[in-house]
Amino acid sequence: GQQVMQIPQYQHVQEGEDFTTYCNSSTTLSNIQWYKQRPGGHPVFLIQLVKSGEVKKQKRLTFQFGEAKKNSSLHITATQTTDVGTYFCAGKEEKLTFGTGTRLTIIP
Amino acid sequence: NAGVTQTPKFRILKIGQSMTLQCTQDMNHNYMYWYRQDPGMGLKLIYYSVGAGITDKGEVPNGYNVSRSTTEDFPLRLELAAPSQTSVYFCASSYSESTWWNQPQHFGDGTRLSIL
Repeated sequence: GQQVMQIPQYQHVQEGEDFTTYCNSSTTLSNIQWYKQRPGGHPVFLIQLVKSGEVKKQKRLTFQFGEAKKNSSLHITATQTTDVGTYFCAGKEEKLTFGTGTRLTIIP
Repeated sequence: NAGVTQTPKFRILKIGQSMTLQCTQDMNHNYMYWYRQDPGMGLKLIYYSVGAGITDKGEVPNGYNVSRSTTEDFPLRLELAAPSQTSVYFCASSYSESTWWNQPQHFGDGTRLSIL
């Protein structure tokens, strides 16, 4: 069955440093979504990527969908304390499957 | 708009007890879902519904039941609580303009359930 893995599982960065999380699927995806979950909170939708090689930006966040549509990445430039949380990708082959998540902590 | 509302927020059950987790949404979304999130883990789909009267199993349906009598409500029932069901349960909903997998999901605040 479809599996969606994310690396790293945890990331600790100094405030101002960059951060990247990678999402890898065992199968080709029709689209991928990214969500952010603050500590103690619920997942909140960030963005959806549909096209092969697609790149989208939201302020300091850059999202990429791989050419083969089997992987994706989220890059945050110059992290801030408000970026703390767990970032999940969710990819669809037959069903939407959430990745394992990357927990980001910021050292002020 | 309240969005997706889940009750209760916290609950402790004894092994073998039963309970219903309530979920209601006021966004007129056709699609609704139940997920569980174990500590430090991702979201696993328990059940989902594409409209009133229609439900289907997700990845981890054993030990749970659902019903969808109205567009707004999608309760999740645990019949015989087991320690393995200790988790945070999230309800979510989405529009169905195209295929539902392409629509952002809106989540409730979750129910934190402990079974002792």
